[in-house]
Amino acid sequence: DLTQPPSVSVSPGQTANISCSGDILGVGHKYAAWYQQRPGHSPVLVIYQHHKRPSGIPERFSGSTSGNTATLTITGTQVMDEADYFCQAWDRGTVIFGGGTSLTVL
Amino acid sequence: HLHESGPGLLKPSETLSLTCTVSGGYISDKDHYWAWIRQSPGKGLEWIGTIYFSGTTYYNLPLTSRVTISLDTSKNEFFLTVTSVTAADMAIYYCARSSILYPLGPHFDFWGQGARVTVSS
Repeated sequence: DLTQPPSVSVSPGQTANISCSGDILGVGHKYAAWYQQRPGHSPVLVIYQHHKRPSGIPERFSGSTSGNTATLTITGTQVMDEADYFCQAWDRGTVIFGGGTSLTVL
Repeated sequence: HLHESGPGLLKPSETLSLTCTVSGGYISDKDHYWAWIRQSPGKGLEWIGTIYFSGTTYYNLPLTSRVTISLDTSKNEFFLTVTSVTAADMAIYYCARSSILYPLGPHFDFWGQGARVTVSS
């Protein structure tokens, strides 16, 4: 399982940190990916292999890992970043997703 | 681009069949896999399964008995079939392009817009 906080709130311009914890993340080369999903839209990949950023994703999105926890950090959060965020990993031949975190920017 | 299509309304016990049409790339691409993921109303994401151009498939264990993923490289399409649907199968079904599975595990870099499936008698 991957555990995320249900919600995180930040003010515009602040840094948002969203955690994703799971035993699998602390084992060997088990990388986390992160997806942003705005209401009514499909998920968008924002971070993969813990810290890599796909083309077109703003630099304010970054990823890190420590032990069995992966963290998505949004530096200088903007109102447009308000969305649900899901982490994802691969464990014993199965894709697993975290339960999602609702990021509120106000 | 990926685009899902198929019936949006089913009765319990019927079979769900969805098609994902890929454009701007080829499902015969050796560097990618192709996946189905669903999202129940107000809930999180659930991986259904993944297929490689060779036809090799990987399924989420709880769904294995009811799910089949296949492909047609000549049409650049891949497909999802779910048998004996119930209300628990009501969801938005997404098709997505996946990175290779091993050794780092996959991530999904392109998603379709989603197909909403309702199950009701």
